Amino acid sequence: GQQLNQSPQSMFIQEGEDVSMNCTSSSIFNTWLWYKQDPGEGPVLLIALYKAGELTSNGRLTAQFGITRKDSFLNISASIPSDVGIYFCAGQYGSQGGSEKLVFGKGTKLTVNP
Amino acid sequence: GAVVSQHPSWVICKSGTSVKIECRSLDFQATTMFWYRQFPKQSLMLMATSNEGSKATYEQGVEKDKFLINHASLTLSTLTVTSAHPEDSSFYICSASEGGEGNEQFFGPGTRLTVL
Repeated sequence: GQQLNQSPQSMFIQEGEDVSMNCTSSSIFNTWLWYKQDPGEGPVLLIALYKAGELTSNGRLTAQFGITRKDSFLNISASIPSDVGIYFCAGQYGSQGGSEKLVFGKGTKLTVNP
Repeated sequence: GAVVSQHPSWVICKSGTSVKIECRSLDFQATTMFWYRQFPKQSLMLMATSNEGSKATYEQGVEKDKFLINHASLTLSTLTVTSAHPEDSSFYICSASEGGEGNEQFFGPGTRLTVL
């Protein structure tokens, strides 16, 4: 199945540092989403982006929908130990919201050292 | 908030047996449910899309006769792995949505299947 190109694959940072990860695609998406998955759990939605160029924040998280609609990035500022987990980007081709299937990135594993 | 549950949370079975996994939307009606499979250290791969009362739509490469999906009500979808083999061992995750523009997909906690 199709996957998005997500980088970096893993990150090891110190508590308090900022983090940035991104996703790219050869196809245009109408919606970009960012999820966090803890071990043995399902993904939890962090931020949803619906318009090209859109910049959205959720607490210490900021994400942007690329102008070309083929990329997105997620920034985490002032990281804390509970930010540890795997972050996935996901895209949707259409505008049908929840009825539309998701294409996931390969994930970025984040480790935060206290 | 919207809650999706899965049962069982983990299962161990012998090769050749069938295993049924349930996905329930607890506080909303899910017109659409999705089933994903996630191998260790890999991403979620969509297996099939299920609409209530309709046959599931399977992704390319997913055997519909092996992975039986039933979405008989607006709050329940089941995935049955028939004649399971060790290579079917994986983390199976469902998601559910009320459908429509802007509605989020809510993910279940996953089911860990180990086939001996």
